[in-house]
Amino acid sequence: NAGVTQTPKFQVLKTGQSMTLQCAQDMNHNSMYWYRQDPGMGLRLIYYSASEGTTDKGEVPNGYNVSRLNKREFSLRLESAAPSQTSVYFCASSEVGQGAMWSEQFFGPGTRLTVL
Amino acid sequence: GNSVTQMEGPVTLSEEAFLTINCTYTATGYPSLFWYVQYPGEGLQLLLKATKADDKGSNKGFEATYRKETTSFHLEKGSVQVSDSAVYFCALSDNSGYSTLTFGKGTMLLVSP
Repeated sequence: NAGVTQTPKFQVLKTGQSMTLQCAQDMNHNSMYWYRQDPGMGLRLIYYSASEGTTDKGEVPNGYNVSRLNKREFSLRLESAAPSQTSVYFCASSEVGQGAMWSEQFFGPGTRLTVL
Repeated sequence: GNSVTQMEGPVTLSEEAFLTINCTYTATGYPSLFWYVQYPGEGLQLLLKATKADDKGSNKGFEATYRKETTSFHLEKGSVQVSDSAVYFCALSDNSGYSTLTFGKGTMLLVSP
């Protein structure tokens, strides 16, 4: 039981390059999330997926796209990377059932991305 | 919109000292409140939670009480250890059914022997 896994752990891009961050969970969770963490800013939600086949924008979605490939996998794509996207990216998942008021989010180890 | 404000760090303490990290929130309705902890080089882990007013969450010697009248959820521990050194995040969920979280900016705790 690996929990939430993310690949890669580190990545360096040049401005304008594209890449996809991968996330997978093996807990059969319905909901998945992408956050970015910047110094002094806490974590900010980029996109989330409440269930397979649905995605919604969070607080800071500009410059990103997501795909909920299946129940296990939720990828984050940067089409044209910019230095402002230098950050640590965390994927999380939770079991949000029908009518649930809250559900613990489980986080992956993060991807440290640098855009030059 | 929802927001969480927590004290800036770093908080530096000696081992066995008392810890308080302040957290206040703004939200509509009746949010659930959380403390998450991030150890160096790792992702976040849920430390404790409270889902209604006057609830006390507790775990690993840490405690926090949901105070609706002061919109606060302060984290306390009676005697910190070096292994408690980490970044602590206060967060809320507005119970919309999608469990999205709004985080504070985090407070770094450094405990010296």
